[in-house]
Amino acid sequence: NAGVTQTPKFRVLKTGQSMTLLCAQDMNHEYMYWYRQDPGMGLRLIHYSVGEGTTAKGEVPDGYNVSRLKKQNFLLGLESAAPSQTSVYFCASTTAGGPSEQFFGPGTRLTVL
Amino acid sequence: QKEVEQDPGPLSVPEGAIVSLNCTYSNSAFQYFMWYRQYSRKGPELLMYTYSSGNKEDGRFTAQVDKSSKYISLFIRDSQPSDSATYLCAMIGGGNKLTFGTGTQLKVEL
Repeated sequence: NAGVTQTPKFRVLKTGQSMTLLCAQDMNHEYMYWYRQDPGMGLRLIHYSVGEGTTAKGEVPDGYNVSRLKKQNFLLGLESAAPSQTSVYFCASTTAGGPSEQFFGPGTRLTVL
Repeated sequence: QKEVEQDPGPLSVPEGAIVSLNCTYSNSAFQYFMWYRQYSRKGPELLMYTYSSGNKEDGRFTAQVDKSSKYISLFIRDSQPSDSATYLCAMIGGGNKLTFGTGTQLKVEL
């Protein structure tokens, strides 16, 4: 039982390049989330999904797109990376229903030059 | 004004000390309160989860919620070097979306 995994762990991009971050969970969770964590800002929600085929915007969605084609996977895309997107990205998942614990992945450290 | 305010620290204490970590919030819709612990270069992990006002104890950790004052606390007794981490408060109002504080960095020194 691996829990929540994220690929890649580190990445350096040049401004304007694109990339996709992959999140996978093996806990059969309905809900999945993408956060970014920046110094002094805490964790901020980018996009989330309440089930396969559904996505919704969070607090800071601009510049990102997401897809949830399979229940166990949640992809975060950057179409044209900007230095402001330099951050640590965390994926999380949880069960449906009432408020419950979110399980986090180990994070992806992204630097945009 | 942020919905959740948390002193970022850093907070440095000697081993064995009692640690008090706090958050204030402004949104009365928040009903569920969590504390996450995050070690350096790791993802956050749930430490405590409370719903009602009052205290909840788990080993050396006590979570306290005062909804009337919109104030929550986490106390760590007999702090250990292994408690050195960033502690994030988090709150849920509706649905299953968490609103996080900025986190308090704690260092427990030998």
